[in-house]
Amino acid sequence: DTAVSQTPKYLVTQMGNDKSIKCEQNLGHDTMYWYKQDSKKFLKIMFSYNNKELIINETVPNRFSPKSPDKAHLNLHINSLELGDSAVYFCASSQDPDRGLHRSLSYEQYFGPGTRLTVT
Amino acid sequence: RKEVEQDPGPFNVPEGATVAFNCTYSNSASQSFFWYRQDCRKEPKLLMSVYSSGNEDGRFTAQLNRASQYISLLIRDSKLSDSATYLCVVRENNYGQNFVFGPGTRLSVLP
Repeated sequence: DTAVSQTPKYLVTQMGNDKSIKCEQNLGHDTMYWYKQDSKKFLKIMFSYNNKELIINETVPNRFSPKSPDKAHLNLHINSLELGDSAVYFCASSQDPDRGLHRSLSYEQYFGPGTRLTVT
Repeated sequence: RKEVEQDPGPFNVPEGATVAFNCTYSNSASQSFFWYRQDCRKEPKLLMSVYSSGNEDGRFTAQLNRASQYISLLIRDSKLSDSATYLCVVRENNYGQNFVFGPGTRLSVLP
């Protein structure tokens, strides 16, 4: 079974459109993330959600909004798409070590397969 | 100054070679450290966590020096399948979870 899944895998759309990318994890993790990887391959965090609470919000345009209907899902909505939004978007999840049973352990992130967004 | 820096690469090495990657981080309060690998057009995947005492997993050895804020990854007897981009990742100790990724070092193992 896929641990972290994203849909769609590819998304081609025109400037000005609104689109959503869905993410689901079946690992029971309580923190989920969205990352953007641009053409230079640098991976930058956009958002993270812990127990339905936004705890990190990097400086991203407010055209991007994360929506978490429940602990297992973190969707990304993008309004008024621009050419510069073209990138690969990765969803990830992890267990917060400060909330887990074993506080001394480090908890790594698990990534989804990515959504390649192309804005034309 | 970038939060996590890595060797710029790319590294092109023959099969069987030993290759070492270096990484430095700026936040001295960082809590956890990892090496991920990312294949072309794929997602990053955990290679190994890095522990204070150093740890080894088969041909891979990771070292951490907290005083110098330095992390390393050594790959022995490199295989063609080791070709990928290696990402140094640091979990910082601030409010909430903040995983900071380095820019990655690309490795090509040549036959």
